[in-house]
Amino acid sequence: RKEVEQDPGPFNVPEGATVAFNCTYSNSASQSFFWYRQDCRKEPKLLMSVYSSGNEDGRFTAQLNRASQYISLLIRDSKLSDSATYLCVVKPSGDYKLSFGAGTTVTVRA
Amino acid sequence: EAQVTQNPRYLITVTGKKLTVTCSQNMNHEYMSWYRQDPGLGLRQIYYSMNVEVTDKGDVPEGYKVSRKEKRNFPLILESPSPNQTSLYFCASSPLGTGFEAFFGQGTRLTVV
Repeated sequence: RKEVEQDPGPFNVPEGATVAFNCTYSNSASQSFFWYRQDCRKEPKLLMSVYSSGNEDGRFTAQLNRASQYISLLIRDSKLSDSATYLCVVKPSGDYKLSFGAGTTVTVRA
Repeated sequence: EAQVTQNPRYLITVTGKKLTVTCSQNMNHEYMSWYRQDPGLGLRQIYYSMNVEVTDKGDVPEGYKVSRKEKRNFPLILESPSPNQTSLYFCASSPLGTGFEAFFGQGTRLTVV
């Protein structure tokens, strides 16, 4: 079983729509959680960290469910520029090794 | 500007010809790592380094070597490249401690024929 699993998509949504997707992780000792964004095989960049209480950054909302071992990302009022692959990243407690999901592709159409 | 710089960006080489991909960061980060990215598999860690002269294997180290003689540089060496090492490679650096955001280089697209 992969350490981090994501629905690869693609999620094709119209501008202005809301899109949400999840990521599951297998290591219950995981401590830190992140969403990274990757554009067309360019370098991944941090989108946001995910906190236990959930957090928002503009149109992006991240949630963590430790009991079910998943994190989610919701994008409201989608823009064309949101088209990208979103990588779920998990860091275990006491370790500096990051585990990456294979990514969820989102395409926003005009 | 804070950045991680990889070179070269693109490389086509032949089986068995030794090559080095350089990586340099200007953020004084302790932690540096190399990843390869293949379709459907996500980023897999090749090697990492917690500090100067301290390196360790990641998930897929076979066929690769690294060194960390200076804090800013972390080159990836392929002594005898093979076609299964054709991939997109990323170097990343992170500060140790809270947050641990990874900053990535622009990537090196390697083709071994």
